Amino acid sequence: KQEVTQIPAALSVPEGENLVLNCSFTDSAIYNLQWFRQDPGKGLTSLLLIQSSQREQTSGRLNASLDKSSGRSTLYIAASQPGDSATYLCAARFRAGNNRKLIWGLGTSLAVNP
Amino acid sequence: DAGVTQSPTHLIKTRGQQVTLRCSPKSGHDTVSWYQQALGQGPQFIFQYYEEEERQRGNFPDRFSGHQFPNYSSELNVNALLLGDSALYLCASSLAPNPTQYFGPGTRLTVL
Repeated sequence: KQEVTQIPAALSVPEGENLVLNCSFTDSAIYNLQWFRQDPGKGLTSLLLIQSSQREQTSGRLNASLDKSSGRSTLYIAASQPGDSATYLCAARFRAGNNRKLIWGLGTSLAVNP
Repeated sequence: DAGVTQSPTHLIKTRGQQVTLRCSPKSGHDTVSWYQQALGQGPQFIFQYYEEEERQRGNFPDRFSGHQFPNYSSELNVNALLLGDSALYLCASSLAPNPTQYFGPGTRLTVL
């Protein structure tokens, strides 16, 4: 069964700290992986998309990596700010079966304290 | 350039009623996917529409049905509502074959 797991479920850090969010997946035959941000009660904002042929993607203070062999992806946030407080979800598409369906993690709830 | 829009933003229904949620995709997009997100959970895939047909379906009962119109907008219908249907319903659009999805703000459905 294809599963996506995110650890930790919640994280609280002081402003300015660099931090890493973890996402693991059970099937190394991954098609791509996407990181999203969700503010409370709101929809999803796509942050980064990594194709299976890529090892990382960067956007501003965000860097996402993909290691297919270990079944892991990390989202690195540099110099965190209170505005980064949100839930971060990762979702993967796999080559086996229908690769149009996203398999979601439960998210990491991040609080950046001023 | 309008992003993905959904209506209504909030909705309250009672058990046994029927509901219709609407989604307009991002300009230029032709594929619409629907997700259900219960409180504290990740989104669960309901189904995806492309060229006015359901292309793929998640593990949801037949009470959940949908439609896509020629202008690519889409509706999600839920019949015989249950308390457990209370959730945030998210619509996402994309342009085939690019898998990148853009999400709308969601519709918060409460079933009493």
